[in-house]
Amino acid sequence: GAGVSQTPSNKVTEKGKYVELRCDPISGHTALYWYRQSLGQGPEFLIYFQGTGAADDSGLPNDRFFAVRPEGSVSTLKIQRTERGDSAVYLCASSLGGVETQYFGPGTRLLVL
Amino acid sequence: AQTVTQSQPEMSVQEAETVTLSCTYDTSESDYYLFWYKQPPSRQMILVIRQEAYKQQNATENRFSVNFQKAAKSFSLKISDSQLGDAAMYFCASIPYSQGAQKLVFGQGTRLTINP
Repeated sequence: GAGVSQTPSNKVTEKGKYVELRCDPISGHTALYWYRQSLGQGPEFLIYFQGTGAADDSGLPNDRFFAVRPEGSVSTLKIQRTERGDSAVYLCASSLGGVETQYFGPGTRLLVL
Repeated sequence: AQTVTQSQPEMSVQEAETVTLSCTYDTSESDYYLFWYKQPPSRQMILVIRQEAYKQQNATENRFSVNFQKAAKSFSLKISDSQLGDAAMYFCASIPYSQGAQKLVFGQGTRLTINP
């Protein structure tokens, strides 16, 4: 079946702009995760959803970052007033929950100029 | 907090040879899970192998196996009969599950090069 998809694949924006990154999880997966991967680093956890609710948002760096999953499927990561330091690859993953394997999408590479 | 350390930024191996990638972790959790993920240039993270900490037997998946040393908090990945397609970044990761956490904690990664 289809894997996790993310759009756009690449996003270039200017400092101060607002961006939305979308994630389509594997059908039937109740858990959805967002990670951020800076150049040369391992991914860092941002937030995870169980169904429609954010079960753990402890990784969100500040209040410029927000994520939603209104119908328990597609999720959108929203970044307000982007800064150059937000430039990174944003990875989405989904799973059946718990410690079930997390399946990753190809990521969105965000570049803030 | 759980931390994962990969001390080898880069490794290389001759095709068909065996290579071992190192990983250590630090945790106070009683229940946790360990993973190795592969990230090729396409960026998509692919699960290579997983190990439940409560299991003493080392996990194996075809050419990939782990050496899980719980007391030493070590979790190395052995790749046998290396193939050109194995070239990628490899990340060690853990889930500190005993507190209900489901987030993966990743190491810094090891870039593996396969020499033909």
